[in-house]
Amino acid sequence: QSVLTQPPSVSGAPGQRVTISCTGSSSNIGAGYDVHWYQQLPGTAPKLLIYANSNRPSGVPDRFSGSKSGTSASLAITGLQAEDEADYYCQSYDSSLSVHVVFGGGTKLTVL
Amino acid sequence: QVQLQESGPGLVKPSQTLSLTCTVSGGSISSGSYYWSWIRQHPGKGLEWIGYIYSSGSTYYSPSLKSRVTISLDTSKNRFSLKLSSVTAADTAVYYCARRSDWFDPWGQGTLVTVSS
Repeated sequence: QSVLTQPPSVSGAPGQRVTISCTGSSSNIGAGYDVHWYQQLPGTAPKLLIYANSNRPSGVPDRFSGSKSGTSASLAITGLQAEDEADYYCQSYDSSLSVHVVFGGGTKLTVL
Repeated sequence: QVQLQESGPGLVKPSQTLSLTCTVSGGSISSGSYYWSWIRQHPGKGLEWIGYIYSSGSTYYSPSLKSRVTISLDTSKNRFSLKLSSVTAADTAVYYCARRSDWFDPWGQGTLVTVSS
């Protein structure tokens, strides 16, 4: 049971828009800590996709965007492409129980 | 740019100690405000934070693994290490090293460690 809750799977057709939610609590996202998103392509290491809620590292297409509100955050992907099929993880900081780092359980994106 | 590379045995016997090293290139582990981190991923599962060490040497561990984990720095070789004691089959996973400021970037490619006799 992950501290941050993500849907196990989402899907969409090429060109469509999908969103992935990440729900936390008052000790992590709701406490004001930033949310970061990672993309893990099959058989590879995770890669930073969005940092500090809504910022894209250099090289990440602007089809990817992030937002945060209250105790939740969201990752949106527009103009879906086959190469976007991957697992996506959210991550934040948690002030309780000395946990420090918390991840979501991950969301498998399938491009139909 | 900074790159990280994990190394270590791919097979460890139950009850023994898992030892991995992460070699950092393109930057010094003793400079900057970074936490040098270990994260693992059980087969087919999500990401689990193990712990990290600050460039000053301060360590922070996951409460669930704290009793078995040691992370250390070797500044002379620009690398950091993970030791996980008393391993069981439940410790079989891909182990990643990563640099953390607030987010994790970059990551190493990961190394699969199997615990089996």
